[in-house]
Amino acid sequence: DIQMTQSPSLLSASVGDRVTINCKASQNINKYLNWYQQKLGEAPKLLIYNTNNLQTGIPSRFSGSGSGTDYTLTISSLQPEDFGTYFCFQHNSWPYTFGAGTKLELK
Amino acid sequence: AVQLVESGGGLVQPGKSLKLSCSASGFTFSSYGMHWIRQAPGKGLDWVAYISSSSGTVYADAVKERFTISRDNAKNTLYLQLNSLKSEDTAIYYCARKWTVDYWGQGVMVTVSS
Repeated sequence: DIQMTQSPSLLSASVGDRVTINCKASQNINKYLNWYQQKLGEAPKLLIYNTNNLQTGIPSRFSGSGSGTDYTLTISSLQPEDFGTYFCFQHNSWPYTFGAGTKLELK
Repeated sequence: AVQLVESGGGLVQPGKSLKLSCSASGFTFSSYGMHWIRQAPGKGLDWVAYISSSSGTVYADAVKERFTISRDNAKNTLYLQLNSLKSEDTAIYYCARKWTVDYWGQGVMVTVSS
């Protein structure tokens, strides 16, 4: 199984900050990497698919990059509605696997 | 708009069975693969099973031989049959669309406890 190591697990930031979240796969996942945002009591929402493609309706302050085993989600200027938990997800090979999550909280 | 609505959850004793449903609307259900993904209370996400548009299936090792994913395209509904349930199966179960997992339902809670 492909292990997804996500860091940091907790991130404290302020409105307007630029933040990055990282995900490292245990093997090459060929850019088949998605990022999701989850708020308390809600289902995850797709932000970025296949490394760097912005899902319809998602603000352009979200962006993704990476290749091989290393991937990054960047929020260019944090907004109040961006706080929550972020998960990476690989869909390159079965079984599909998620990162453990990054909780983004208000500093 | 794409809508996925899960149902069928509840409290069940260890060793018993339960069947979850996911009603789909807003897209051509028969053309898409579908997933079940679960989240234990306060924990991360675990992929459970996938069924393709042609009904090929894949399972996580933790549920293989116990869970069965199926679909009824005439009813636009996805199912997950959960057998031989264990306490560690306690989770919110989400259905999600497409092999790339784009849209998710709101989830249904399954609690396995005596």
